This record gives sequence, C-alpha cells and structure tokens, in this order.
Amino acid sequence: GAVVSQHPSRVICKSGTSVKIECRSLDFQATTMFWYRQFPKQSLMLMATSNEGSKATYEQGVEKDKFLINHASLTLSTLTVTSAHPEDSSFYICSAGLPFEDTQYFGPGTRLTVL
Amino acid sequence: AQSVTQLDSHVSVSEGTPVLLRCNYSSSYSPSLFWYVQHPNKGLQLLLKYTSAATLVKGINGFEAEFKKSETSFHLTKPSAHMSDAAEYFCVVSDRPGGGADGLTFGKGTHLIIQP
Repeated sequence: GAVVSQHPSRVICKSGTSVKIECRSLDFQATTMFWYRQFPKQSLMLMATSNEGSKATYEQGVEKDKFLINHASLTLSTLTVTSAHPEDSSFYICSAGLPFEDTQYFGPGTRLTVL
Repeated sequence: AQSVTQLDSHVSVSEGTPVLLRCNYSSSYSPSLFWYVQHPNKGLQLLLKYTSAATLVKGINGFEAEFKKSETSFHLTKPSAHMSDAAEYFCVVSDRPGGGADGLTFGKGTHLIIQP
C-alpha cells in the first residue's frame, strides 16, 4: 500500500513552453501532497504544499506564478512549470502521506530538461 | 527547531562487508526518524522508521537502525553489503505528530559505493 506515482518520468521541452507533471496516490487518498526539487548530488528542497480544494502553500523563494499547483482531487496533484527556462531543469519529486501519520511516500520523480 | 547531520557524504565498502551510515539529529520534541534510499533517477524509498517504540528498528533489504537518545544518533547498518545497495541514502527527522512534509528535515545524503 501507500504507492505514489508520477507522470511523466522524463520530459524534454523547449524554452518558453509549459510542462505539466502529475502526482497520484494510487491506493489511498491524500488531502495534502508535497512537491520537491532536487539538484544533482543534493538533497530534496521542499517547494510547496498542495492542498486538495484550496490554494497551495509555497516555500520562501519559490515563485507561485512560475510553478502552478492544482490539487484537483484526493488522489491527484499537478505541478505546471510555466514558461520553462533552462535553469528550471531539475528532478521534481512529489510525496504524500496517510492521514495522521508522519511517513511520507515519494513518487519516482520526473526529470525535466529545458533546452 | 530540528536538524539532521549525515556525517559522511560518501561511504565505500566492499561487497559482503558491513555497512555503517551515520546520522545525528537535533529536535525540540520527541522526533520520528526515517531512512530513505534513492537509486539513480528514482524517487525515495522508505527503508525504515523510528516512532518511539523499539529503539532497534529493522527495515527492508536487511537494513536496521538504532535510535540512541543519549547520543542523538540514528545510524543505519547492514551486516553484509550487496552490489544493489549502491545508492544515495537520506536520514530524515520529523517533529510534527500526525505528519506533513513541511515538518520533515532532510540530511544532505550519503552516497554508498559498493566495491566488487
């Protein structure tokens, strides 16, 4: 149980285009999901908290107009990187947890490359 | 406030020998502690977690960790390394009962190298 999936696993896009990444909890409902960014050989950096039915909460320094988050249902959150630039190239990971537990279950990640 | 320190950025061991990945933490509360493993271009997989029950925690793939409050440590061990153990390992602390990734603090990671 507690499986989180992400789609796509890899995406390459041109500078200026927008890219949508999906995060799904496959066997449980998640009122809250989390989005991270990971640079090469570094730890995870929390970008934002995705809340079902309400606005996402962004960490300091993360542009909310750049990284649009929509938590459309209890099993799906999407991250849209708008007007992508090469510096947005990174590994993006989502996580979700079961209610009243502090264990986070992570998706397999999405490698974004902006040319 | 909480923090996590993984004492080694890289650890190299020979296949079949023991593995020790060190983690020290600080927390204002009774924390939950986790070890996650990340293989290249993959997400994080939970190895084990400590949540104030038994201080010696057994996880998947033969890994275990011991919570030592007096030393504020949560080191990860495995008796015999396998080539498939080569990966990045993260020690994570949570001081928020009931969860929430905004209550998580990640270590910087330890890269485990297995020599044949």
